[in-house]
Amino acid sequence: SQTIHQWPATLVQPVGSPLSLECTVEGTSNPNLYWYRQAAGRGLQLLFYSVGIGQISSEVPQNLSASRPQDRQFILSSKKLLLSDSGFYLCAWSVTVINEQFFGPGTRLTVL
Amino acid sequence: AQSVAQPEDQVNVAEGNPLTVKCTYSVSGNPYLFWYVQYPNRGLQFLLKYITGDNLVKGSYGFEAEFNKSQTSFHLKKPSALVSDSALYFCAVRDMRSGAGSYQLTFGKGTKLSVIP
Repeated sequence: SQTIHQWPATLVQPVGSPLSLECTVEGTSNPNLYWYRQAAGRGLQLLFYSVGIGQISSEVPQNLSASRPQDRQFILSSKKLLLSDSGFYLCAWSVTVINEQFFGPGTRLTVL
Repeated sequence: AQSVAQPEDQVNVAEGNPLTVKCTYSVSGNPYLFWYVQYPNRGLQFLLKYITGDNLVKGSYGFEAEFNKSQTSFHLKKPSALVSDSALYFCAVRDMRSGAGSYQLTFGKGTKLSVIP
């Protein structure tokens, strides 16, 4: 069966520090991968998606970036965090674009 | 453009009573529709989906949803609510007519369900 992992689970970082969040998927090949941010426990905002290694599309302009160095690894990064980057970050995968997405456990990021 | 609305921020229901969480959508073509549940500080869990076929879709944990094309709705239902059903519920839609480059799954803002013992 497929599983999706995210780490760290929680992170507290000062403003201006770098960020690296990691997501890995097991049990499937060539998944579509997604990064979402959830603010205040409600709506989800799609940040990035990837259909293959090295293929990243951004949905919103921001100081975050994403990379996919391996088929089942998706990384969210920032060179300098802002206060507004605080939130709950969720990684997800799907077999194809029309299939349901399966979410990881999330990373709670607090920027102070 | 595609959009989804969950008109109720919160729904309260007594344990054992039927529950309904409402969702309406707007798409240009035909919709793919999904329901997810989120427990506190957890990721979203997939409950059920409508792609095509029967309008009544059955999913995990006894939940079901009815697709109504004329009312553009996809309400989530359960015949008998459990206290453990208390969580945040999200409806999501994707327009089948979206181009190959569009991967956007649009989520509603969520409905908090509280099942009262």
